[in-house]
Amino acid sequence: AQSVTQLGSHVSVSEGALVLLRCNYSSSVPPYLFWYVQYPNQGLQLLLKYTTGATLVKGINGFEAEFKKSETSFHLTKPSAHMSDAAEYFCAVTRSGSARQLTFGSGTQLTVLP
Amino acid sequence: DAGVIQSPRHEVTEMGQEVTLRCKPISGHDYLFWYRQTMMRGLELLIYFNNNVPIDDSGMPEDRFSAKMPNASFSTLKIQPSEPRDSAVYFCASRSEGGLSGNTIYFGEGSWLTVV
Repeated sequence: AQSVTQLGSHVSVSEGALVLLRCNYSSSVPPYLFWYVQYPNQGLQLLLKYTTGATLVKGINGFEAEFKKSETSFHLTKPSAHMSDAAEYFCAVTRSGSARQLTFGSGTQLTVLP
Repeated sequence: DAGVIQSPRHEVTEMGQEVTLRCKPISGHDYLFWYRQTMMRGLELLIYFNNNVPIDDSGMPEDRFSAKMPNASFSTLKIQPSEPRDSAVYFCASRSEGGLSGNTIYFGEGSWLTVV
C-alpha cells in the first residue's frame, strides 16, 4: 500500500521568495509520484510527475521536484513565488507500472504575500 | 482535446432527493475514476473503471452510491437518497493505458454538490 504525507497544511511565502512544499511517501514498490495544483473552485491540474529516469523533474509554471529515494521524498520547489501561485497543492503516489489510481496527500495551501 | 467534462458544475438539492452526476472522459482513455473531495477526508477514490468495467468500488461509501459506465464516453455517479453529509466536490478523472501521457490522470473541473 502507498501513502503520502504532506508536511504543513498551510505555507505562506512572500512574493519573490523560494517556495518549498514537502512531500514524503511510503511505498513497498517503486513509486510514481505526482504534484497537482488546485486553484479556487477549479479541478486538479498536473504540475509535474516522476516515473522513471532523471530524478529532478521540471513542471509547468516554473515548478520542479526531486525524487530522493533515500529520503522517500518528493518536495516541490519554485525559486521565486508569484501571486498567481496561490493555490492548494497535492502530492500523490501510485505504484510503478500501474498508475491505475492515485493516493493523495492532504494538501498544502500556499499563500503568497505581497 | 476537450478534457474531462463533468456536469452539473454545481447542484443544490434537498435531503432525500436523487442526485446524478455525469462525466465524459477524454476520448480514447481506458480508465475512468470518480473521486470525492471533502474538508474532513481530503481526496478519496470512490470507484474506477477499466474499459467500462468497474474494477474497484471499495471506496464507495455505502449502498446509496452507485456508478455506471454504459459506454466509453459516459459515466454516471448516482446518490439515492442524498444526505447532507454527501455534500462535497465530486471529481471525474481519466487516463489512457499507454502513450506518452499514459501515467497521467486528468481531472475534470468537478461537480460541487450541496445537500440541504
